[in-house]
Amino acid sequence: EVQLVESGGDLVQPGGSLRLSCAASGFTFSSYSMTWVRQAPGKGLQWVSYISSSSSDMYYADSVKGRFTISRDNAKNSLYLQMNSLRAEDTAVYYCARYRRNVAKDIVILPVHYFDIWGQGTTVTVSS
Amino acid sequence: QTVVTQEPSFSVSPGGTVTLTCGLSSGSVFTSYYPSWYQQTPGQAPRTLIYNTNTRSSGVPDRFSGSILGNKAALTITGAQADDESDYYCVLYVGSGSWVFGGGTKLTVL
Repeated sequence: EVQLVESGGDLVQPGGSLRLSCAASGFTFSSYSMTWVRQAPGKGLQWVSYISSSSSDMYYADSVKGRFTISRDNAKNSLYLQMNSLRAEDTAVYYCARYRRNVAKDIVILPVHYFDIWGQGTTVTVSS
Repeated sequence: QTVVTQEPSFSVSPGGTVTLTCGLSSGSVFTSYYPSWYQQTPGQAPRTLIYNTNTRSSGVPDRFSGSILGNKAALTITGAQADDESDYYCVLYVGSGSWVFGGGTKLTVL
């Protein structure tokens, strides 16, 4: 079964740090790009960060750039999000999601650019 | 700053048809934005419904369909059921390693 399981969410004070983890199973983790998406309480989804399969490319939403760092360990089938200088507005459920850049249809490779598998999320609360 | 717009709320009668839209605050949505749609019920993770404008994800009933209508992406539910009552989010790939979600539409089936 394809599965993503997040962990590491906690209550942290403003200015503090936290590291989230996402354990992948049921698929060849090293072949897929991965992302983090968050959802503040009562709000919508927000893309946070992206990392390519080989870690050669990493992207961040402007709201977290310079504070968050995405990384992965393909040998451990794990994705991470290091969050520093946390703010109250970072309070959210954080989901990891597998990213599909393209799919093979017959002999053609089609770009698709979507999030196909989601974890159940881990809750980060930033408060004093 | 790219803003993706969705109707905040919508209601549909059981068995009815509803079309939710996904637009841009400035400009049109094209297939090259690779619009995708996600369903989320309270307390649950999002579920992928539609990708690449109109391709249903594995296991998604064919009462869900995606398209481009005018200058927006659209999600149509035909023959709505009670368990379709959820929040629906679209997301657009705006390029250069950036994805923007719409604010979501809360669908009520009553």
